[in-house]
Amino acid sequence: SQTIHQWPATLVQPVGSPLSLECTVEGTSNPNLYWYRQAAGRGLQLLFYSVGIGQISSEVPQNLSASRPQDRQFILSSKKLLLSDSGFYLCAWTQGTEAFFGQGTRLTVV
Amino acid sequence: GEDVEQSLFLSVREGDSSVINCTYTDSSSTYLYWYKQEPGAGLQLLTYIFSNMDMKQDQRLTVLLNKKDKHLSLRIADTQTGDSAIYFCAVNSGYSTLTFGKGTMLLVSP
Repeated sequence: SQTIHQWPATLVQPVGSPLSLECTVEGTSNPNLYWYRQAAGRGLQLLFYSVGIGQISSEVPQNLSASRPQDRQFILSSKKLLLSDSGFYLCAWTQGTEAFFGQGTRLTVV
Repeated sequence: GEDVEQSLFLSVREGDSSVINCTYTDSSSTYLYWYKQEPGAGLQLLTYIFSNMDMKQDQRLTVLLNKKDKHLSLRIADTQTGDSAIYFCAVNSGYSTLTFGKGTMLLVSP
């Protein structure tokens, strides 16, 4: 069965520090992968999506970047975190009609 | 781009039916989804419907799609306190990307 792993579950980082959130998918191949952010007020904002290795599309210009070094691995990064980067980050994958989310990472930038 | 709108809040009594509504703008959307988010957790896929369907029923859940009006609804029969959560409507747009509404908070009172 398909599963999606996202870690860490919670993270507290100081302003200006780097960030790396990782997401891996099991049980499927060549999925479309996504990073969403859910800020206060619960709206979901699409940050990045990827349709294949090395292919990244950015939906919103910001302080973050994404990479897809392997078919089932999607990484969200930042070189220097801002206070406004705080939020709940969700990784997701779709393949055909199926769409599933990871459990999320609560990032607090202090 | 795609715009997805939902009412922000719905309150019902236990045992009643709940109806959560959603409207979208992109008539080319082919898959439409309903997700449930419990506090502090990731999104759980509840159900989805193809755009060539008018209705889909899955146990206590009924999804109705009015493609002409671009209106999607989720009906929960015999609502329970455990159904209290935020419900997100999502539609696919672009290359399998998902656009979400801001979520409807469902509060079920005993």
